[in-house]
Amino acid sequence: KQEVTQIPAALSVPEGENLVLNCSFTDSAIYNLQWFRQDPGKGLTSLLLIQSSQREQTSGRLNASLDKSSGRSTLYIAASQPGDSATYLCAVPLMDTGRRALTFGSGTRLQVQP
Amino acid sequence: SAVISQKPSRDICQRGTSLTIQCQVDSQVTMMFWYRQQPGQSLTLIATANQGSEATYESGFVIDKFPISRPNLTFSTLTVSNMSPEDSSIYLCSVEDSGQVPFFGQGTRLTVV
Repeated sequence: KQEVTQIPAALSVPEGENLVLNCSFTDSAIYNLQWFRQDPGKGLTSLLLIQSSQREQTSGRLNASLDKSSGRSTLYIAASQPGDSATYLCAVPLMDTGRRALTFGSGTRLQVQP
Repeated sequence: SAVISQKPSRDICQRGTSLTIQCQVDSQVTMMFWYRQQPGQSLTLIATANQGSEATYESGFVIDKFPISRPNLTFSTLTVSNMSPEDSSIYLCSVEDSGQVPFFGQGTRLTVV
């Protein structure tokens, strides 16, 4: 059974810092990995999706890397801003054939202090 | 992309009662997914709902407790039956668009007292 772990569970940084969020998964046979942002009362927003054949994806100040062999992904946030404060979740697809739902990590709760 | 409208956004319910959560999508989708997020925890898949067939439930979730309807390709409901305080959670529906990107509703925050 796939298990996804995220560290740290919580992180508080001053505005402007660069930071790294970590995600690990136990079964390396994944199709892709996604990073989401969760804001209270607003559901989840997909940030980046990395296909299994890719090593990284970038969107603005966000960069996500994937190392399938070691079962790890990182989300790098450059020049953090107070608006980045949210919970960040990584997720991988369920491996059963035909099921396209996701297995989520426990999340990293980020607070960026102005 | 897909826009998902989920209702209600929150509710406070008495134990022993049932609540039906609605999920409306602005486009036709094959699969809809229902997740639960218990306080302080991450999302856990409850079931996958396909139109025209019974929902597929994950381990630990049963149809009697969480009946699901999927009458067409844009709508689904999840009912939380005979509620207890342990059912207090955020419930989210999710779909994939044609590009296999997942979209989530804003969630239903349920408190059972």
